[in-house]
Amino acid sequence: QKEVEQNSGPLSVPEGAIASLNCTYSDRGSQSFFWYRQYSGKSPELIMSIYSNGDKEDGRFTAQLNKASQYVSLLIRDSQPSDSATYLCAVKGGGATNKLIFGTGTLLAVQP
Amino acid sequence: DVKVTQSSRYLVKRTGEKVFLECVQDMDHENMFWYRQDPGLGLRLIYFSYDVKMKEKGDIPEGYSVSREKKERFSLILESASTNQTSMYLCASSFGGMRNTEAFFGQGTRLTVV
Repeated sequence: QKEVEQNSGPLSVPEGAIASLNCTYSDRGSQSFFWYRQYSGKSPELIMSIYSNGDKEDGRFTAQLNKASQYVSLLIRDSQPSDSATYLCAVKGGGATNKLIFGTGTLLAVQP
Repeated sequence: DVKVTQSSRYLVKRTGEKVFLECVQDMDHENMFWYRQDPGLGLRLIYFSYDVKMKEKGDIPEGYSVSREKKERFSLILESASTNQTSMYLCASSFGGMRNTEAFFGQGTRLTVV
C-alpha cells in the first residue's frame, strides 16, 4: 500500500462547477496535510494546509480532513480554466519524523 | 517571501560523471528535501535533512548522496550519473518540529544524462 494515494485522473469538470479531489494516507499518526498545485513545467506551490479534523476554507478552496478514515480532500468551487493543473496531496509523517510524502497527483481539467 | 533557489534550471551530463545539484534557502528552515519527479510516479523523496550534517534516506536513495554543511544549503550528489537518473529534481525546505511545516519548493532542475 502506498503511503499517500490519489486518483491520477484526469478529472474533467465544466467551468463553474465544483471539483472534488481526494487523497488517502496510511500513517495513522500523521498530523499535517497539504495540497499543492502544479502547473505543467512548474514547481509545486502550496494552496492549502490542514492540521485538524473538519473543514478549512480559503476563498474558493476548502480542505477537509477526516483522521479516523485517513482521508483528506480538496474542493474547488466555481472552477476556472486557470485551475487546470495537477493537484498534489502531501502528508507529514507522525511522531518526530519530518518526512514529507507526496501522492502521485490528480490532473484536473476545467472545460470552458 | 520564502525563497528556495536551485543552482541550475537545466543540466546535461554524461554517463559516469559526478553531478552536484545545489539548493539554497533563505528562511532559516531546519528541514530540506530532495525529490525527483517522473511522469506517472509523482514526487519521490530521495533524501531529507532536519539539521546541519543530519540526513535521512527517503524512498529512493540508491545512487545518490547528500551534504548539508550549512543550514541554508543542501546538496544532492549523483556519484556516477546514469541514464535512469534523467529526471526533474526538486528541492524544498520547511520549518521543523511542531511548527508550521509547509514546504516551499525551488524552481526545479531538469537533468538529462546522456
